[in-house]
Amino acid sequence: KAGVTQTPRYLIKTRGQQVTLSCSPISGHRSVSWYQQTPGQGLQFLFEYFSETQRNKGNFPGRFSGRQFSNSRSEMNVSTLELGDSALYLCASSPAGGLDGYTFGSGTRLTVV
Amino acid sequence: AQRVTQPEKLLSVFKGAPVELKCNYSYSGSPELFWYVQYSRQRLQLLLRHISRESIKGFTADLNKGETSFHLKKPFAQEEDSAMYYCALSPGGGNKLTFGTGTQLKVEL
Repeated sequence: KAGVTQTPRYLIKTRGQQVTLSCSPISGHRSVSWYQQTPGQGLQFLFEYFSETQRNKGNFPGRFSGRQFSNSRSEMNVSTLELGDSALYLCASSPAGGLDGYTFGSGTRLTVV
Repeated sequence: AQRVTQPEKLLSVFKGAPVELKCNYSYSGSPELFWYVQYSRQRLQLLLRHISRESIKGFTADLNKGETSFHLKKPFAQEEDSAMYYCALSPGGGNKLTFGTGTQLKVEL
């Protein structure tokens, strides 16, 4: 079966712009999580959605937001981009989250210049 | 707040030698613990969950609540085990994973 699909794979944006990243979970998975990965901070949790509701949120500023659609696809948005937002953004899906474990996508590499 | 510590950034072992990747955690409640692995040019993937008490690819991990540890072990390392290993904690079986900084395992011939 198809894995977790993230688009686009690479993005280059300018400071101050906004960006939207997309994630299509494995069919039947209702929980979608987002993580930011950087060399300095490692993997950090952004937020998790289940059945279109945000269930959990990490310690990121309000510029980072997300949503989930009725088909479980998810998007995350970053507004007013800063240089420090350059990172690999990973999406992960799970049947219901928690103890099921998560299947990760390949990520979107965002570079802010 | 929860925290996961992987003290070794790099661990080199010879093929056939035992492997132990260390993971310590701090969390006041009942954590659920996981090991994730990332092979070269591949996605991050779940290796094993403590709740399953399973052995995957010869790896096992035991939760020691007294020592707040969840070390990953394998009796005989194989070349294909070379990868980046991340320990992760989910508080109370929730949906937020806190990852350690990872340990790069290199198995030498």
